[in-house]
Amino acid sequence: DAKTTQPPSMDCAEGRAANLPCNHSTISGNEYVYWYRQIHSQGPQYIIHGLKNNETNEMASLIITEDRKSSTLILPHATLRDTAVYYCIVRGRANSKLTFGKGITLSVRP
Amino acid sequence: DTEVTQTPKHLVMGMTNKKSLKCEQHMGHRAMYWYKQKAKKPPELMFVYSYEKLSINESVPSRFSPECPNSSLLNLHLHALQPEDSALYLCASSQENTLNTEAFFGQGTRLTVV
Repeated sequence: DAKTTQPPSMDCAEGRAANLPCNHSTISGNEYVYWYRQIHSQGPQYIIHGLKNNETNEMASLIITEDRKSSTLILPHATLRDTAVYYCIVRGRANSKLTFGKGITLSVRP
Repeated sequence: DTEVTQTPKHLVMGMTNKKSLKCEQHMGHRAMYWYKQKAKKPPELMFVYSYEKLSINESVPSRFSPECPNSSLLNLHLHALQPEDSALYLCASSQENTLNTEAFFGQGTRLTVV
């Protein structure tokens, strides 16, 4: 299964866009990129997923590079409630497993 | 409605007890999952059920026994657990277990083994 690499942490100011990077250089042609977040002690929350085109929903935008080796999750106007651990996951070809990596801790400051 | 309901929210059990965790969804999803999450670690996949059949067992010890009695319910039976099994147990479901289907998680059961 393709592995993902994320920085351990980042912060951003409330009201500004938060751009969370993810590297997945070994991704295969039919594997999707998923983003989840987990606010302390709660279950992971689905955010968005995509294959190769950019995707947008009410929560965020997902930008996938043309070679698909990296992606960026964009929270357009971060709020304090967006402080969480964000997981970038490549859903693997082997049994479609959703395997979590270490994630990135986003801290939104007032 | 993307709700996955887990009960109980908290559970304390002794090492000789038998207990069960319950997970329920009414979204018509045919894939259901159990994950285990230790403090400050990412969730780890334990089991996957697809169309009520066990399709993935990630080499989980036999003291954890999953059961899928119908398409809406998923149980995790616990017996002779160890203190190191204390963790947050998360259930999830998705339409199917395929590459292009998002999974929705419950809020988890926080298990403490004493």
